Amino acid sequence: DGGITQSPKYLFRKEGQNVTLSCEQNLNHDAMYWYRQDPGQGLRLIYYSQIVNDFQKGDIAEGYSVSREKKESFPLTVTSAQKNPTAFYLCASSARLGQALSGANVLTFGAGSRLTVL
Amino acid sequence: GDSVTQMEGPVTLSEEACLTINCTYTATGYPSLFWYVQYPGEGLQLLLKATKADDKGSNKGFEATYRKETTSFHLEKGSVQVSDSAVYFCALLPGETSGSRLTFGEGTQLTVNP
Repeated sequence: DGGITQSPKYLFRKEGQNVTLSCEQNLNHDAMYWYRQDPGQGLRLIYYSQIVNDFQKGDIAEGYSVSREKKESFPLTVTSAQKNPTAFYLCASSARLGQALSGANVLTFGAGSRLTVL
Repeated sequence: GDSVTQMEGPVTLSEEACLTINCTYTATGYPSLFWYVQYPGEGLQLLLKATKADDKGSNKGFEATYRKETTSFHLEKGSVQVSDSAVYFCALLPGETSGSRLTFGEGTQLTVNP
């Protein structure tokens, strides 16, 4: 079955350490996204990518970095510069970015990764 | 800019009660509207969507009608079940613009008791 796989599901990190969250999709989707979810704040966009080797900052990109070397993969690195990294991180993909009338804008989400900084 | 406002939660109902979760939006043009659901410990799943005014999205007994005159997309269900307990997100995609991104509301926690 096609879908999005995020790993690890739970991760603990000490302050000052970088950590990389994995996101892999086998849906042949062009666009991929990373969201951060905090209680009572909904979803906030960190980074997104429309195509391989290209990505754009979202609303809260500071302290994060991404790469898109393969269509299937969009890993997120939470760096030590992120002041409050403890959160639930969600990866998503869509066939195309935007294009409301085509129906290709529906996001498919992974199950999430919960990062806790000790 | 575009924005989505949902009714504040949490919402607690008894099984078989009626549900309405309010969602209003601010956007230029003709956005597409969505409801996503997040079950405990999981990612989000698309529940239903509507792409133009007066469209009604429906799925699993849930319905929402795209009301341009009131800029609303309220989620309704006539009889909720315990298994409906989840967080519900309203979302908006600006219309007819390639490269647009979804804007999410803050989510509404629903708990259904037996």
